[in-house]
Amino acid sequence: GEDVEQSLFLSVREGDSSVINCTYTDSSSTYLYWYKQEPGAGLQLLTYIFSNMDMKQDQRLTVLLNKKDKHLSLRIADTQTGDSAIYFCAAFGSARQLTFGSGTQLTVLP
Amino acid sequence: DTAVSQTPKYLVTQMGNDKSIKCEQNLGHDTMYWYKQDSKKFLKIMFSYNNKELIINETVPNRFSPKSPDKAHLNLHINSLELGDSAVYFCASSPPSYEQYFGPGTRLTVT
Repeated sequence: GEDVEQSLFLSVREGDSSVINCTYTDSSSTYLYWYKQEPGAGLQLLTYIFSNMDMKQDQRLTVLLNKKDKHLSLRIADTQTGDSAIYFCAAFGSARQLTFGSGTQLTVLP
Repeated sequence: DTAVSQTPKYLVTQMGNDKSIKCEQNLGHDTMYWYKQDSKKFLKIMFSYNNKELIINETVPNRFSPKSPDKAHLNLHINSLELGDSAVYFCASSPPSYEQYFGPGTRLTVT
């Protein structure tokens, strides 16, 4: 089955950019997603990208996809304390289901 | 106007009991899911259900069973609860374009 991997922790200073990285193994993955989970809450869909795209921008969020390397990143510009959360990468692959990474805990320091 | 809702939000019960978690979506989606999130925040799909087609993750014990009375609901029944079932359970739904919308979760604690 597909594996999706992310680093577990990232700390940044308020106002800096955050970059969260993700790798996946199934080259057939057609859709790639970023979700945000705040403490005690469900997963909120932030953005997604189709595999035929290499970049998508949505306000402060920029998603980059390197399909050759099976690498996805999420850049958050001007990171705020409210961005502190766990960010999950997910891939929709040949198994026709979403496979999630382990999540990256983003901590924004004042 | 909640999109995906779950009840209860918290569930504390003893080993051996049988319990249910309810899920409802008002998005008109055809596919619904149940996920389990463990204490390390790892998310694992348990079931997906689409137009009466149930896809089961083979690692899910048969003590867990989803039941869908209609397209907007997918409930999760758990028999003979065990300590290891303690987790947060999320319901989700998706349109044909595959992005999934999650409920707020149900924190199950088995004592």
